[in-house]
Amino acid sequence: DAGITQSPRHKVTETGTPVTLRCHQTENHRYMYWYRQDPGHGLRLIHYSYGVKDTDKGEVSDGYSVSRSKTEDFLLTLESATSSQTSVYFCAIKPDRETYEQYFGPGTRLTVT
Amino acid sequence: QQQVKQSPQSLIVQKGGISIINCAYENTAFDYFPWYQQFPGKGPALLIAIRPDVSEKKEGRFTISFNKSAKQFSLHIMDSQPGDSATYFCAASKREFKLSFGAGTTVTVRA
Repeated sequence: DAGITQSPRHKVTETGTPVTLRCHQTENHRYMYWYRQDPGHGLRLIHYSYGVKDTDKGEVSDGYSVSRSKTEDFLLTLESATSSQTSVYFCAIKPDRETYEQYFGPGTRLTVT
Repeated sequence: QQQVKQSPQSLIVQKGGISIINCAYENTAFDYFPWYQQFPGKGPALLIAIRPDVSEKKEGRFTISFNKSAKQFSLHIMDSQPGDSATYFCAASKREFKLSFGAGTTVTVRA
């Protein structure tokens, strides 16, 4: 898993509650990404980071925010979870601008009831 | 809308057969085309990738064929084995960070 851990691995929460997912990497990679995976949609980019405190939106960013205060951690927050945010969330890393390859973590399964 | 279209949604192949998955894209700025393999409960794992300056890349039993003029690329799994049963995703990107994924193909290899 390219030195990537995600926590928690499973979470069940209620509609309207805030949720934060954590991605932690040990290799000092510059780029980090959050994707969600849903049947029939593949993986869709939520947000990404190209350095500490440098983040940008992906294609499905509504309802999500991110923060990166140190190189090794990238946090994804659902301010007020909705049932449509039930999904499997994957973090990925890319070492630097010149590298094309992205490597994925093990995922977090989130259920919003 | 999905920038990379993948087909079929699922396929079943006999052990020893060939699995073929196809992808098509529209954005001619894409310059990197990877394939990921995912087993249930795991994250996607990079399997093989190609750049548009070559028409084919082979790694073991896995081959990518790339047709730049048709804006299509495909994954061939030769001598398919039960351990190849997984979901396969094609993707495409410009170097600037963002991968666009296909919807995925579930491959089942029957022994």
